[in-house]
Amino acid sequence: GAGVSQTPSNKVTEKGKYVELRCDPISGHTALYWYRQSLGQGPEFLIYFQGTGAADDSGLPNDRFFAVRPEGSVSTLKIQRTERGDSAVYLCASSLTSWGGGADTQYFGPGTRLTVL
Amino acid sequence: KNEVEQSPQNLTAQEGEFITINCSYSVGISALHWLQQHPGGGIVSLFMLSSGKKKHGRLIATINIQEKHSSLHITASHPRDSAVYICAVWFFGSEKLTFGTGTRLTIIP
Repeated sequence: GAGVSQTPSNKVTEKGKYVELRCDPISGHTALYWYRQSLGQGPEFLIYFQGTGAADDSGLPNDRFFAVRPEGSVSTLKIQRTERGDSAVYLCASSLTSWGGGADTQYFGPGTRLTVL
Repeated sequence: KNEVEQSPQNLTAQEGEFITINCSYSVGISALHWLQQHPGGGIVSLFMLSSGKKKHGRLIATINIQEKHSSLHITASHPRDSAVYICAVWFFGSEKLTFGTGTRLTIIP
């Protein structure tokens, strides 16, 4: 079956612009995660959805970042007033479920490389 | 502070060598992921484990919960094994992964 997909694969934008990054998880996966990976670093957690609701958004760096998952499937990460420091690869992952303890294999998408000029 | 450390940061070896990558973490975990990331590519899950040892092909992952340490071993390494290997853990009480910074492995033919 299809894995996690992300669009676009690359996004170049100008400072101050608004961008949307899309994640399409594996069908039936209830948990969805967004991560950000800067060059030479490991991924950093941004936000996690269980179904339609954001179960933990503690990793969002500031209020310019927002994510939604209105129907419990596709998710969109939205960044307002982009800054050069937002440049990174944005990774999405999904897992079948996320129970107490959180340990379920996560399947990662290919990522969206965001470049803010 | 909940932290994950990996060593070495970079590793270059000759084809055929036995490879060990280490991961240590600061406090108790419910499980640990070993992940592989090829240059320009996505992340692939290799193992998820919470105790003992798992083997898949030439890859072996072990974890010692008491010592808060895990190792990833590659036997008979091959140039196609060249990638970044990332350790990530679920700390107790957390439903999000905390990642190490990765180990960049280069296997020379």
